[in-house]
This record gives sequence, structure tokens and C-alpha cells, in this order.
Amino acid sequence: AQKITQTQPGMFVQEKEAVTLDCTYDTSDPSYGLFWYKQPSSGEMIFLIYQGSYDQQNATEGRYSLNFQKARKSANLVISASQLGDSAMYFCAMREGGWDDKIIFGKGTRLHILP
Amino acid sequence: DAGVIQSPRHEVTEMGQEVTLRCKPISGHNSLFWYRQTMMRGLELLIYFNNNVPIDDSGMPEDRFSAKMPNASFSTLKIQPSEPRDSAVYFCASSQTVNYGYTFGSGTRLTVV
Repeated sequence: AQKITQTQPGMFVQEKEAVTLDCTYDTSDPSYGLFWYKQPSSGEMIFLIYQGSYDQQNATEGRYSLNFQKARKSANLVISASQLGDSAMYFCAMREGGWDDKIIFGKGTRLHILP
Repeated sequence: DAGVIQSPRHEVTEMGQEVTLRCKPISGHNSLFWYRQTMMRGLELLIYFNNNVPIDDSGMPEDRFSAKMPNASFSTLKIQPSEPRDSAVYFCASSQTVNYGYTFGSGTRLTVV
């Protein structure tokens, strides 16, 4: 079974609009971490934001915020005021447990920002 | 900080040849990861090391693949013999603590013809 599910293979959004990229996860471990990465067309993987399972507040990093709904096992990425440079592939990822550093990635969502 | 350094950036080789991919993690990072990215399968974790020790190699596709980390500043991923289905982008990543995202290298684009 997939541990990380990203149901939107592709999205088109008008510039300056807010964007929500969906991510659901599956784990029975009470301690876990959730990540979002951006992969532009140049190919590099860029870390955006992190949310720990015990964090009380939703993580924010500049225009990025993570809408963490623990009961729903949901960790959606919200990008406010989208820009043309936000066009990229976005990956949701999860790390389970404390000792095991392994991070598993979802299939990704390709975001296109339209001028 | 130079980041995670991978070499080569591009590799084209003939089927049956040995391929060696190299990675230098960020100094002070104690975990190192090798991923493979393809259109069909996405990002797959192949193997990861903690303090130079292989922790989980369950993602290594088959015996043709091997990885080593002889010291804290160097790792290799070897494919012998290579096959066309090994064509992919191979990423190396390192991390210091699980509460922060990995830092990825620029990747090696491998083409086996």
C-alpha cells in the first residue's frame, strides 16, 4: 500500500492565486515527519517545509505553509500568491519513527503557473 | 558550504559496462541516501547509510547494484553490468538530523544504450 498519496498529477493555476497541493499519508507510528520538496525543470530537489507529528502548529516558511490535519492524515502544501517560478514538480514525503531516517516520497504533483 | 556533490552529472554507457556514481555528502552530515528517479516509478530509495554503515538496502533492485561508504565524506553506487532499464537520474542526499529535510545533490543522469 502506498504510504504517501498525491492525487493531483497536474494542476494549472493563475499567477498570484493561492495553490493547495494535496497529500495524504498512511502510518501507524505516532512519531513521524512530513516534508515537501520542489523539483523545477532543472532537476534539483529543493527542500521547502517540514512538519513533525507532535508539532502543535502548522509549519510555515515564507509563502509556503503546511495544512496539517492529523486525524485525516493529511498534509497539504499551500502556496500563497503564486509566482511563475513556482512552476515545478512538488513531492510530499514522510519519515516514520525516530531512529529510522528513511524518507519515502509520493509520486508528485506537477504545478503549472499561468501568466 | 558546497552542498552534496555528485559526479558525473551525465553518464552514457553501453549495456554490459560497469558504471560508478560518486557522492560527497555535506561535512558533518551523518546519513547518506541514494535515490533513483524515473518517470514510471518516481523517486525510489535504493539504500541509505548512517555513520557510514548501510542501514537499509531493501530498495536495491538486484545484485547488479552495490553501494559503499568507506568514510564519512565519500560514497559510491556501482552498477555491474549495466542494462538499458537502469537509465534514470540517480540522486544522492545527506542529512544531519531527521527533523530537517535532506540536502540533495544535483543528480547523475545515467543513460545505458
